[in-house]
Amino acid sequence: DAGVTQSPTHLIKTRGQQVTLRCSPKSGHDTVSWYQQALGQGPQFIFQYYEEEERQRGNFPDRFSGHQFPNYSSELNVNALLLGDSALYLCASSLTWTGSAKNIQYFGAGTRLSVL
Amino acid sequence: GEDVEQSLFLSVREGDSSVINCTYTDSSSTYLYWYKQEPGAGLQLLTYIFSNMDMKQDQRLTVLLNKKDKHLSLRIADTQTGDSAIYFCAVPSGGSYIPTFGRGTSLIVHP
Repeated sequence: DAGVTQSPTHLIKTRGQQVTLRCSPKSGHDTVSWYQQALGQGPQFIFQYYEEEERQRGNFPDRFSGHQFPNYSSELNVNALLLGDSALYLCASSLTWTGSAKNIQYFGAGTRLSVL
Repeated sequence: GEDVEQSLFLSVREGDSSVINCTYTDSSSTYLYWYKQEPGAGLQLLTYIFSNMDMKQDQRLTVLLNKKDKHLSLRIADTQTGDSAIYFCAVPSGGSYIPTFGRGTSLIVHP
């Protein structure tokens, strides 16, 4: 049973560029959440997708956008990259977005983004 | 202050018990979590406890929840060098089921 998979593992971009990160959820999961983890910090919630719609959003600017596909996989897009966007981007999947045992989030290994 | 607070470092000797503490300001009526992160890796779900429970034991791991004091702890019995990692407490709050993470406690295990 494959867990949450993310690609690519590492990425280097320059300021002002755009980036797309990808996530495939754990088998049987339909909800995907994205987090940003800066060095020395805990993960910060960006947004959550369920049924191809953004259901909840954290305190991140509109430069951060996402998409969920019919097969439940998801993309995170960041436009106009800033140096401060350098971080580990984590994807988590869960069985459902409601509060229950099924909402337990399982994380992927992350994508390390460096903005120069 | 932070919504979820943890001490940043804990150093123990191999074979001893480790206790990692977490305090929070608010929690939703759902699960509270402990995750482990090894260098360069993602987050591994270690264990979780529902908000109406006081204790949960899972092999070497014991989670204690004191709702009155808003305090969550993780005890690791017989700590091994392979337990060296960063441990995150994660607590959903404000009626949301999205967990807010602490900054993590770096556990260092000495032989």
